[in-house]
Amino acid sequence: SQELEQSPQSLIVQEGKNLTINCTSSKTLYGLYWYKQKYGEGLIFLMMLQKGGEEKSHEKITAKLDEKKQQSSLHITASQPSHAGIYLCGADSQGAQKLVFGQGTRLTINP
Amino acid sequence: KAGVTQTPRYLIKTRGQQVTLSCSPISGHRSVSWYQQTPGQGLQFLFEYFSETQRNKGNFPGRFSGRQFSNSRSEMNVSTLELGDSALYLCASRNLAGSGHNEQFFGPGTRLTVL
Repeated sequence: SQELEQSPQSLIVQEGKNLTINCTSSKTLYGLYWYKQKYGEGLIFLMMLQKGGEEKSHEKITAKLDEKKQQSSLHITASQPSHAGIYLCGADSQGAQKLVFGQGTRLTINP
Repeated sequence: KAGVTQTPRYLIKTRGQQVTLSCSPISGHRSVSWYQQTPGQGLQFLFEYFSETQRNKGNFPGRFSGRQFSNSRSEMNVSTLELGDSALYLCASRNLAGSGHNEQFFGPGTRLTVL
């Protein structure tokens, strides 16, 4: 079965600094999703990547999928307190209509 | 469009009881999936319904069941509750029109506490 590993598990950065979160898959990724979760709440969809080498940006967040489609990264530029939360990567299990998720990265922004 | 809604938001039950959670998908979405989130196991897939049929199921015991109605609303039932069933239960819907991958949109979740 497909497994996703995120790194780091937690991250504390100073406001205004850049940061990167990684998501590595045990199998080829056919659809990679990034979500953000505030503690105890639902997941907010950020971006979806499908093609090798694909890159998408929204405001100060950029997500990339490597050419081999086994690793994705989420980069935040000039972090703000509103970026704090848990970031999760999810992937479509091939042939199955379900998402498998990484364990999440807890991001804290210090003012 | 209104987002995915889940009721109730919070629930406290005792061991041995049963519970029913409800999920209303985004209008037009016919696929509804359920997930369990715990600090130890993270987010785990329970099952998915599409057009009132269960299409996929995760590795959970038979105490966990669900159904979907003709209006795409879904319910999840857990019988004979155990302490370990305490979790945030998330529902997600997506539009499966056409082929390819479609993002899932999540509701706010139901926080279940079993005492």
